[in-house]
Amino acid sequence: AQSVTQLGSHVSVSEGALVLLRCNYSSSVPPYLFWYVQYPNQGLQLLLKYTTGATLVKGINGFEAEFKKSETSFHLTKPSAHMSDAAEYFCAVRTLSSGGGADGLTFGKGTHLIIQP
Amino acid sequence: NAGVTQTPKFRVLKTGQSMTLLCAQDMNHEYMYWYRQDPGMGLRLIHYSVGEGTTAKGEVPDGYNVSRLKKQNFLLGLESAAPSQTSVYFCASSKMDNEQFFGPGTRLTVL
Repeated sequence: AQSVTQLGSHVSVSEGALVLLRCNYSSSVPPYLFWYVQYPNQGLQLLLKYTTGATLVKGINGFEAEFKKSETSFHLTKPSAHMSDAAEYFCAVRTLSSGGGADGLTFGKGTHLIIQP
Repeated sequence: NAGVTQTPKFRVLKTGQSMTLLCAQDMNHEYMYWYRQDPGMGLRLIHYSVGEGTTAKGEVPDGYNVSRLKKQNFLLGLESAAPSQTSVYFCASSKMDNEQFFGPGTRLTVL
């Protein structure tokens, strides 16, 4: 079974400061990992993903995440926060059915990012 | 490309009423999904489909039914709505087990 834990339901940073959103996962198979962003009253938009290969992945809007197998982590970072980054962020791991096929994503509960001026 | 669209955007039901939510995608994706989003719970998978004519249960399927008669459409039905089904419903689609593309959501209130 797969699960995702996001530490901190709310994270507040100052504009221009480092953004760090934490995600830990458990997976019985090699994980596919995703970060999505949700702006108010909108659907989810993919920020970045890790499937195989390079463990440091870069996404849109200056975000990046590093897959660390030994720590079962996939933390999201951005060097300098902008006001426009204020949103809800979700970490997700691909889930597999008993037959081995993909059957959706398991999401963390989300982290609300607040940017202080 | 419209991507993933959902109809309706908002709906208010009374307990016991039925309704169908429609999801359509124009990306020729094989896989389609229905999730519900509740405060503090993240998104939870209701049902999914890996191809036309096939559906399967997700994490929280009770009280919902689905149909995938055409590749581009995925319908979510509530036969007898309950207040516990008040939520925001998201449809998504993907090519095999790759990244999922989400619709804008349907906000449902059951009184």
